[in-house]
Amino acid sequence: GEDVEQSLFLSVREGDSSVINCTYTDSSSTYLYWYKQEPGAGLQLLTYIFSNMDMKQDQRLTVLLNKKDKHLSLRIADTQTGDSAIYFCALALDNDMRFGAGTRLTVKP
Amino acid sequence: GAVVSQHPSRVICKSGTSVKIECRSLDFQATTMFWYRQFPKQSLMLMATSNEGSKATYEQGVEKDKFLINHASLTLSTLTVTSAHPEDSSFYICSALHGGLGYGYTFGSGTRLTVV
Repeated sequence: GEDVEQSLFLSVREGDSSVINCTYTDSSSTYLYWYKQEPGAGLQLLTYIFSNMDMKQDQRLTVLLNKKDKHLSLRIADTQTGDSAIYFCALALDNDMRFGAGTRLTVKP
Repeated sequence: GAVVSQHPSRVICKSGTSVKIECRSLDFQATTMFWYRQFPKQSLMLMATSNEGSKATYEQGVEKDKFLINHASLTLSTLTVTSAHPEDSSFYICSALHGGLGYGYTFGSGTRLTVV
């Protein structure tokens, strides 16, 4: 299977919470990242978590890491229409990076 | 579908030489491609946006004369690192925009450049 897997689509209503999930196979990653990509733009680093952490919170963003299950998630609280974008999960492996295919988040008013 | 092939995956070159990295969309046409660079244990940095048939748009601080980008066809963009120095050693990765689902981005597998 793929090194990093994400579901392709997520649709939520404005004001709800969004949870984007990511599973991976290689557990040697030191850092795990979440990137956002808006139409026509390059990647924007949203947040990252060090592999020895379980959780990291940054304003509306909460990252949860379950190393046992090799599962990473990004929760966006109070999702806004401006959060509509593609979100990529990425792992840093020996200075290389592996990306998921991206989850397209659609926020409905 | 929407596969991007990046070549080479690893390259070692001598200081002062030039290295070309290719990014090909195999099963779709990519009017826009992005080139990124990643330093060890750091996040990606967008270097430039490459548009087919026109000049690339470089991010602030990226030397356009050193990192030459050519996007001559709808399936191929190249990044040439000219007069390479050891500090250019890095991981370079491209992504291509495809319009299969409205919009979407597919990444190449990356190129590890080592300048000795």
